[in-house]
Amino acid sequence: ELKVEQNPLFLSMQEGKNYTIYCNYSTTSDRLYWYRQDPGKSLESLFVLLSNGAVKQEGRLMASLDTKARLSTLHITAAVHDLSATYFCAVDIGTSGSRLTFGEGTQLTVNP
Amino acid sequence: EAGVVQSPRYKIIEKKQPVAFWCNPISGHNTLYWYLQNLGQGPELLIRYENEEAVDDSQLPKDRFSAERLKGVDSTLKIQPAELGDSAVYLCASSLMMNTEAFFGQGTRLTVV
Repeated sequence: ELKVEQNPLFLSMQEGKNYTIYCNYSTTSDRLYWYRQDPGKSLESLFVLLSNGAVKQEGRLMASLDTKARLSTLHITAAVHDLSATYFCAVDIGTSGSRLTFGEGTQLTVNP
Repeated sequence: EAGVVQSPRYKIIEKKQPVAFWCNPISGHNTLYWYLQNLGQGPELLIRYENEEAVDDSQLPKDRFSAERLKGVDSTLKIQPAELGDSAVYLCASSLMMNTEAFFGQGTRLTVV
């Protein structure tokens, strides 16, 4: 059974600081997604990583995938308050269609 | 372009009552998913449709849950009878085809009292 673990689960950081969220998974996969969820809202797709070594950047967020280590990272650069949300990684191991398995989520709070 | 639309947004029912949720996926998306999200946790897949066929329903508690996707577009998820432990957010998602990015609706927050 696929297990997806994120850490930290809770992250409180100051504006302007950098930090990394880690996503480890237990079964071989080369498809990983990062989503953002604001309180009471749905999941917003941030990044789609489809191969080993994939790196994608959008604004202050950068995601990477190492399929050999079964690890993805979401790096936050110079955090701002607007980034406060819960971030989920999701791994897809479906061989005949998608079956996303989500991590528990990392609740990020950026303090002024 | 409209995203995934779900209704109702909120539902409060008494235990043992039936409840139904509705989902309209993004136009042209063949794959539709229903996920369950408990408070403080990531979503968990309940069922996946490819067009009108349920191709992955292994996580759906079939004693009380049922789903359908007639004509391969809109879908409904039903619970009968509801239990207290069913209180959660039910998310619908769709993707253009299998193994492509999924887009989520805003969810239905169910409270069973």
